[in-house]
Amino acid sequence: NAGVTQTPKFRILKIGQSMTLQCTQDMNHNYMYWYRQDPGMGLKLIYYSVGAGITDKGEVPNGYNVSRSTTEDFPLRLELAAPSQTSVYFCASSYQGEITEAFFGQGTRLTVV
Amino acid sequence: AQKITQTQPGMFVQEKEAVTLDCTYDTSDPSYGLFWYKQPSSGEMIFLIYQGSYDQQNATEGRYSLNFQKARKSANLVISASQLGDSAMYFCAMREGNSDNDMRFGAGTRLTVKP
Repeated sequence: NAGVTQTPKFRILKIGQSMTLQCTQDMNHNYMYWYRQDPGMGLKLIYYSVGAGITDKGEVPNGYNVSRSTTEDFPLRLELAAPSQTSVYFCASSYQGEITEAFFGQGTRLTVV
Repeated sequence: AQKITQTQPGMFVQEKEAVTLDCTYDTSDPSYGLFWYKQPSSGEMIFLIYQGSYDQQNATEGRYSLNFQKARKSANLVISASQLGDSAMYFCAMREGNSDNDMRFGAGTRLTVKP
């Protein structure tokens, strides 16, 4: 059972470039989340989704876009990368209908230069 | 909007002693869940323990227990018999049941266990 899988693990982007961080889960969880974690800081919620076709903004959505066409996949799109987006990005998922813990991917370390 | 506060940026504990990491929260939703995660230096997020707002007893998982004081809106993590491997960042998080469906995290506490 793979759980939550994020790709890539590391990436360096130039200012103004775009990229998509991939996230997939095989636990049939309806809830999925994207967080960013700046060095020495906590996790800030970027976007989340409560099911296929439904997405909502979190605390820090500017500069990002998401889509949720299937239950399994929740990609995060960075358009026009900026140095302020240098961070570690975590994808997570949790079970619907009950308040249960979120399962996290291993994270993507992104550097924008 | 929900809010999670961890007021201890760093804590030190002697090996084999117990330590309490503080967490307070703010919500108007009567249904919510509180979570603690551990993040070692390798970076992964490890789920430790969960407390539901309607749970009558404090949650326990091995050496971890949650001191849940609902009226004070606090959910402190207690680690007993600290081990060197407990050195890590610890995050408190909350998810509401009836309103927002997102999960928000506190700023974290860095725990260092001294031999």
